[in-house]
Amino acid sequence: EAGVAQSPRYKIIEKRQSVAFWCNPISGHATLYWYQQILGQGPKLLIQFQNNGVVDDSQLPKDRFSAERLKGVDSTLKIQPAKLEDSAVYLCASSFSSRTGTTYEQYFGPGTRLTVT
Amino acid sequence: GESVGLHLPTLSVQEGDNSIINCAYSNSASDYFIWYKQESGKGPQFIIDIRSNMDKRQGQRVTVLLNKTVKHLSLQIAATQPGDSAVYFCAENTGRRALTFGSGTRLQVQP
Repeated sequence: EAGVAQSPRYKIIEKRQSVAFWCNPISGHATLYWYQQILGQGPKLLIQFQNNGVVDDSQLPKDRFSAERLKGVDSTLKIQPAKLEDSAVYLCASSFSSRTGTTYEQYFGPGTRLTVT
Repeated sequence: GESVGLHLPTLSVQEGDNSIINCAYSNSASDYFIWYKQESGKGPQFIIDIRSNMDKRQGQRVTVLLNKTVKHLSLQIAATQPGDSAVYFCAENTGRRALTFGSGTRLQVQP
């Protein structure tokens, strides 16, 4: 079974520039997550999708971050304009969803390491 | 590769010894817990999970213990190997929400 795919793996941009990350979840996983992981910390949720709908985006800085999952499969996360404090690893994860609400483990991609200079 | 966590608490063990990594979680309503292993340059890798109706769950060389009274989770690794060296995160979940991760512990296995 193929894992969660992310691209690019690394990105270096200057502040105020824009950047986009792409994620393709595991086939059949309806739930997709974007996390931000700052060096030395655990991942922090940015946004959660169920199919093509947003479940939770309460921690997404909406003035500069946006995400979409138009067809309920792959997803893009965009930052515009980037700030120095956005330097982090951006992780995408997916999980199977049960109609009964049972939670299943999340599988993570390798992440995109963003450096803002 | 760049280190996942430069200022994390570190547990150093000898190869072949057992390791115990502890985690305090925050939400008494959390009903699902996972331990992840993260190596440098990689995403978190699932190790083992446990639901709140259980106190203990065993996998291959790993055991997770859950104490809901004091909101404490532990990961025990038997016969620790050099390949176990990584940063370990506990994570908690409530309902269908996303995971809330702890701050992580670095495990160093000395040959």
